[in-house]
Order: sequence, then structure tokens, then C-alpha cells
Amino acid sequence: AQSVTQLDSQVPVFEEAPVELRCNYSSSVSVYLFWYVQYPNQGLQLLLKYLSGSTLVKGINGFEAEFNKSQTSFHLRKPSVHISDTAEYFCAVSTNAGNQFYFGTGTSLTVIP
Amino acid sequence: DVKVTQSSRYLVKRTGEKVFLECVQDMDHENMFWYRQDPGLGLRLIYFSYDVKMKEKGDIPEGYSVSREKKERFSLILESASTNQTSMYLCASSFRDRAYQPQHFGDGTRLSIL
Repeated sequence: AQSVTQLDSQVPVFEEAPVELRCNYSSSVSVYLFWYVQYPNQGLQLLLKYLSGSTLVKGINGFEAEFNKSQTSFHLRKPSVHISDTAEYFCAVSTNAGNQFYFGTGTSLTVIP
Repeated sequence: DVKVTQSSRYLVKRTGEKVFLECVQDMDHENMFWYRQDPGLGLRLIYFSYDVKMKEKGDIPEGYSVSREKKERFSLILESASTNQTSMYLCASSFRDRAYQPQHFGDGTRLSIL
């Protein structure tokens, strides 16, 4: 089974400051990588995904993530956060070996006015 | 757009009751999943199904069962609800054997067992 580690459970950041949410995974095979966002009392929405090709992927709401194969990381970044970015963020991994996704434990991002 | 609909947003039940959580998707997905979400623990897979009448145990199946009689519908059953099953339950669906495509989630059911 795969494992996904989100190193920070809570990240407070001031409005308009940059933010990075960290994600590391363990896998010896090729992976597909995803970031989801969950607003309060809602389900998970897809932010962005990495399948292949360019290691920098852009998603919705100004977020981007960089795939680093040597460090088995897929960190999420935004250059300037807004109050509306306050939410829970989940990193997920899948492989061609099965139909399951493996999720990290989530990072709660709080944007401070 | 893919739509995954969970029958209830909030549900309150009593200890010992049999509880049914329903999930319907409209994108002809073969795979359907039930997760439980608790603070600090992230999403934990309870059961998933890759076809009608097929089911696989996830990481925490104890105390739960599932039913998949039609492709679009996946039900989670708490046979005898207990207070430690108070949680947020999320349903998701995806295409079978297409790991490069994301799972799509419903809005969740917040279940309280009193």
C-alpha cells in the first residue's frame, strides 16, 4: 500500500502572504498525484493533478504544485492567499496497480486577516 | 459535471439503530467508495465497490456493511450504531482502472449517534 504524509496539520498564514503545503509519498512505482480542497461542511473538490510531463502543474484558484520525483514530494503553493482559501487540503496518490486512492491526513489552512 | 449525491447532509440516530447512508452518482462510474473522516485522521476507507454486487473491505470495515444493487447507487449500513461511529461520511466514485482520473466526492453526511 502507498502512504502519503502531509507534514503540517495546521498552517496559519496572513492574507496576501505566500503559502506552501507539503506532501510526501512513498512509492516505488509510477504515481498519479492529486490535491483536493475541502471547505467547511462540504465534500472534497479537485484542485489540481499531476499525471505526467511538466513537473509544475497549475490548478484552480491560483494554486500550483510541483512534482519532485527524487524527493517523492508534491508540494502545493500559492503566491498570495485570500481569506476564502481557508479550508482543509488533502494530498492523494493513485497508481495503476489498483483502484484505490491513498490520502494524507490533511492540512488545515487558516488565512488571517 | 459529475454529480455524487448523498441522501442526507446531517443525520442523528440512537445507539443500536440500524442506519442507512445512501449515495448516488450520475456518471456511470464503476467504482464507488465510502470513507470516514475524523479530525487528525484524514480519510479512512471503509468499503469500496468496483462493480454491481461486488465489494471490497477497506481499512476500517468493522461495524459496517455495504450494498451495491445498481451501478449508480452505493449504500453504507451501520448494523447497530454505536457512539464511536459518530463522524463525517464521504462517498466518492471514479472510473474503474483509470487511476489517472480523480475520484469525485459527495458533500458528505455528518452522522451523530446519541
